[in-house]
Formats: sequence, C-alpha cells, structure tokens
Amino acid sequence: QVQLVESGGGVVQPGRSLRLTCAASGFTFTNYAMHWVRQAPGKGLEWVADTSYDGTNKNYADSVKGRFTISRDNSKKTLYLQMNSLSSDDTAVYYCTRGAAVYAIEEGFDFWGQGTLVTVSS
Amino acid sequence: EIVMTQSPATLSVSPGERATLSCWASQSIGINLAWYQQKPGQAPRLLIYGASTRATGIPARFGGSGSGTEFTLTISSLQSEDFAVYYCQQYNDWPRAFGQGTKVEIK
Repeated sequence: QVQLVESGGGVVQPGRSLRLTCAASGFTFTNYAMHWVRQAPGKGLEWVADTSYDGTNKNYADSVKGRFTISRDNSKKTLYLQMNSLSSDDTAVYYCTRGAAVYAIEEGFDFWGQGTLVTVSS
Repeated sequence: EIVMTQSPATLSVSPGERATLSCWASQSIGINLAWYQQKPGQAPRLLIYGASTRATGIPARFGGSGSGTEFTLTISSLQSEDFAVYYCQQYNDWPRAFGQGTKVEIK
C-alpha cells in the first residue's frame, strides 16, 4: 500500500534552517510528481511547492520562494524540503502528498503523509 | 494567481440531511478541481477530482459538479463520519491553490 512518511520537524529559532524528509513506499516513486502542503495551527491548507517526477521542474508558493527548496532522490524514494530563513509564519504541519503520474492527467493529491510539525519560535 | 473562495464558512446540518458546499475560482479552471475532507488531527483525504469524479473508495453520497469558475460538492445524506472540514483545490495552474474551507457541523 502507498505510504508517505514525513520526518524532520521540530522547534527551530527564527532565521534558522530545517530540512524535512518524506519517505515513499508502495508505489513507483519515479513516476509521480510530489508536493508539499502545509497547515498552520487552526488554519486552512496552503500549497508550498512541487517537483516533477524527475526533479527537473519545480514550482513554489510566493510565500516561500527564495527560501525553500524542494528536491527528490529517486534512488532513495525520498522527497525533501529545505527550509531556510524560517519565521513564525512558517509554523505549520507540513504534509507530503502525491501528485500526477507521468504522462497522465492530474487527478488531485491522492495520498498524503501524516504530517510533521514545524514550530518556529525563539 | 487563481484565488479559490468557498461558501459558507460553516454549515450546520442534521444527520440524514443534504449538504451543499460551494467553491468559486477567480478565473476559469475548466474541470481541474478537487475536493478534500479533513477531520481533526488527520491528513486531508481526496474525495473528488476532475470536478465530479469520485476518488477510489469514496461513497456515492458524495457528488461533485461544476466547471469553469463555479463548483459544488453535495453530500446527499450526511452520516456521522461526514462532519469535517472540506476544501476545494484548483490544479489548473501554478501556484496550486486551496479554498479556505467549509466546516460541516452537526446541527
């Protein structure tokens, strides 16, 4: 079965960096675009970034552009989110989610991890 | 940038009744729209994609409709497990965008 397991969250001081990891299993990771979505405490969902199946194309929300970097290691079936210059506005649960299959039409985000909490606080 | 707007913010419904949730896109997105359900402490779950296609394992009481800029999620007869927050999301363009959510609560 498809599994996405995030890790790397925690408490970090403003201005510092953190790297999130999402380990994928149960499907052919190299065939799918992958996304990060976050949710601040008590708030709605916010799309953060995505990467194409091969990592060549990446897109970012304006709120994180220039500070966050999404990447993937297909040999390890792992997705990453490098977060730099963190601020309190970045405090949220970060979800890894699966996007479109290569050469297929997009059909929403069909599998989600359980999320990892990032708290930015001094 | 496409902005998604959902209405109402909160919907109070009795079990067994019908619930109708609305979602608008600031520009046409065709049928590139998904609906998600989220319960407290859980990750979102995909309900509908392509505006009207139910995801795998989603009960038939969930129905989606619309195209262009106006979309609707209908829950035909609310069950206890359906009380949750529902989000629409466009995937027609970047940045991908979610609506602010509609909370369906027990009346």
